[in-house]
Amino acid sequence: GQQLNQSPQSMFIQEGEDVSMNCTSSSIFNTWLWYKQEPGEGPVLLIALYKAGELTSNGRLTAQFGITRKDSFLNISASIPSDVGIYFCAGQGGMDSNYQLIWGAGTKLIIKP
Amino acid sequence: ETGVTQTPRHLVMGMTNKKSLKCEQHLGHNAMYWYKQSAKKPLELMFVYNFKEQTENNSVPSRFSPECPNSSHLFLHLHTLQPEDSALYLCASSQARARMVYEQYFGPGTRLTVT
Repeated sequence: GQQLNQSPQSMFIQEGEDVSMNCTSSSIFNTWLWYKQEPGEGPVLLIALYKAGELTSNGRLTAQFGITRKDSFLNISASIPSDVGIYFCAGQGGMDSNYQLIWGAGTKLIIKP
Repeated sequence: ETGVTQTPRHLVMGMTNKKSLKCEQHLGHNAMYWYKQSAKKPLELMFVYNFKEQTENNSVPSRFSPECPNSSHLFLHLHTLQPEDSALYLCASSQARARMVYEQYFGPGTRLTVT
C-alpha cells in the first residue's frame, strides 16, 4: 500500500530560526495537505496543494508540491514560540484512493529554552 | 473555529460500558470521517461516510459501530472496549467528489480512556 515518510521526527529550534520538514511518498500523489496539531486539539489545516510544482504560502509558512509528485516540503520562517506543535503531512493518490488520505507520522517542533 | 464539534471532550469508561461519541459539522460538507490517534502513530482512518453511506471500514473491530443519520452528524458507538482502545478519537469532514477528497477539517477530538 501507499506509504508516507515524514522527516524529521522532531526538531529543537531556537526562536527566530527557519524550519524545514518534508514528506516523501512511495507513489504519486494528486493532493498534499499540511496540518498542525497542538496538545488536546485536532489537526488544523495549514496549506493545501493540488498541482505539481505549486508553491503556496500562509503567513510565515510556505509549502511546495514536489515536481515528481512524490514529495512535499513545509518551511517555517523566523519561528516563534507559538509554532510549537506537531506538523503532519497528508496526501491522496489517484481516483482509486476512495476518499482516503495517507498520513505522515508527524514532525514535533520544540523551541529550545 | 467551531466548524466541527465533538462531544464529549473526555471520556473514561470501563470495559463493560456502552458509550457514544458525537460529531457535528457546520461546514456543509458531504463526507465525514472517524480517525483514531494513538501516541507515536500516524492517524488511523476508521470509517468514512460519503453522502451518509459508509464507503470504508478499515478493518475496525465490531466493538466500534458508526452511525451517520444525516450529512451533518456522525456517531461512534462503543461497547466492550479494550484498554488498547484508549486514544484520541477525531472526527473530520470534507467536501468529496468522484472519490477524491479535498481538505479535511477536524474537530477537537474525544480523549478516551478505557479502564
